[in-house]
Amino acid sequence: GIQVEQSPPDLILQEGANSTLRCNFSDSVNNLQWFHQNPWGQLINLFYIPSGTKQNGRLSATTVATERYSLLYISSSQTTDSGVYFCAVEPPTGTASKLTFGTGTRLQVTL
Amino acid sequence: DAMVIQNPRYQVTQFGKPVTLSCSQTLNHNVMYWYQQKSSQAPKLLFHYYDKDFNNEADTPDNFQSRRPNTSFCFLDIRSPGLGDAAMYLCATSRDGGTEFFGPGTRLTVL
Repeated sequence: GIQVEQSPPDLILQEGANSTLRCNFSDSVNNLQWFHQNPWGQLINLFYIPSGTKQNGRLSATTVATERYSLLYISSSQTTDSGVYFCAVEPPTGTASKLTFGTGTRLQVTL
Repeated sequence: DAMVIQNPRYQVTQFGKPVTLSCSQTLNHNVMYWYQQKSSQAPKLLFHYYDKDFNNEADTPDNFQSRRPNTSFCFLDIRSPGLGDAAMYLCATSRDGGTEFFGPGTRLTVL
């Protein structure tokens, strides 16, 4: 099956710093989504981004499908950004929206 | 607010004693998913319903079953829980395989 690797696995930032999280995938995809899992376990969808660039407040994402990677940018980080960030992809074969999750990046934002 | 609701939030069961987890949604989405997430791991898809069609992942144990009596509700039945089934169980929904919306999860403990 498709492999999804995220880097870095762990990241510690001081509040106000910027960061870039990377997601590499091993095959073409129909669908790519970024999620934030807060410390209580709730997964929140950040972006649905199979290609191109999107922005939502301090967050933006870019997917370059032809080169099989996606980037999530966090600017002016806040302590509430702490948690685990997952990218998840849907391969082009099979039934719709069977997401395979990446390995995750654990982010801690400190004061 | 439209949402995905999971009950209970915490469930304790005994080894081998059947347990049922429930998920309901007010988003009127046609696709519903069940994921298993073990500690420090990514969510893993167990199965999903696309409308009334049930789609089981190849590596989902037979011990796990699901029911979807109507559009709004979906149940996860674990027939004989083992210690290895202790995990967070996440329900998610989407419209035709688009953006996935997750519930808060049910944390299952097996004694």
